[in-house]
Amino acid sequence: DGGITQSPKYLFRKEGQNVTLSCEQNLNHDAMYWYRQDPGQGLRLIYYSQIVNDFQKGDIAEGYSVSREKKESFPLTVTSAQKNPTAFYLCASSLRHDSYEQYFGPGTRLTVT
Amino acid sequence: DAKTTQPTSMDCAEGRAANLPCNHSTISGNEYVYWYRQIHSQGPQYIIHGLKNNETNEMASLIITEDRKSSTLILPHATLRDTAVYYCIVRATNAGNMLTFGGGTRLMVKP
Repeated sequence: DGGITQSPKYLFRKEGQNVTLSCEQNLNHDAMYWYRQDPGQGLRLIYYSQIVNDFQKGDIAEGYSVSREKKESFPLTVTSAQKNPTAFYLCASSLRHDSYEQYFGPGTRLTVT
Repeated sequence: DAKTTQPTSMDCAEGRAANLPCNHSTISGNEYVYWYRQIHSQGPQYIIHGLKNNETNEMASLIITEDRKSSTLILPHATLRDTAVYYCIVRATNAGNMLTFGGGTRLMVKP
């Protein structure tokens, strides 16, 4: 089956630790995205990548880092510098950066205590 | 990108049409109207998009007013599985592919 996978679904970390969230797609999409969602809120863009080896900051990039070494993978690292890391993290992809449809993964719920 | 205004929540009876309104009074000529929905604790799902003309697909219909300042998403026969948060988004075609998700409308379909 083609799609986007995120793992794990739930993740727990202690404050002060970096944590990396996985996002993989086998749709052969060029563009990939990371969003953050807080309870009762809409999605906010963290980082996006239009093509391999390139990525750009979104609206709330502080405290996060990404890499795009392979077309199918776009991991997100939540660093200790992120003040409020507990949230629902969603990865998405689209065929091209100007495609009208984004496909979303199932999300990872990160809890930092 | 133009901002959108949607009601916070709506109810609909199962089997009836659900009409979800969206105001986008500052929309520009090159901005499309997109609708996504998010079922609880899942990733959003694309529903439909349009520029000026009304659009229909297997999921829904999109009605855009002639002045393009508002639109309505119509789910013709709502089911319990349509209970979700529905996001109306406007986006220019030259804005990369940035989708700005506001608060959306929480649609509750009731038996």
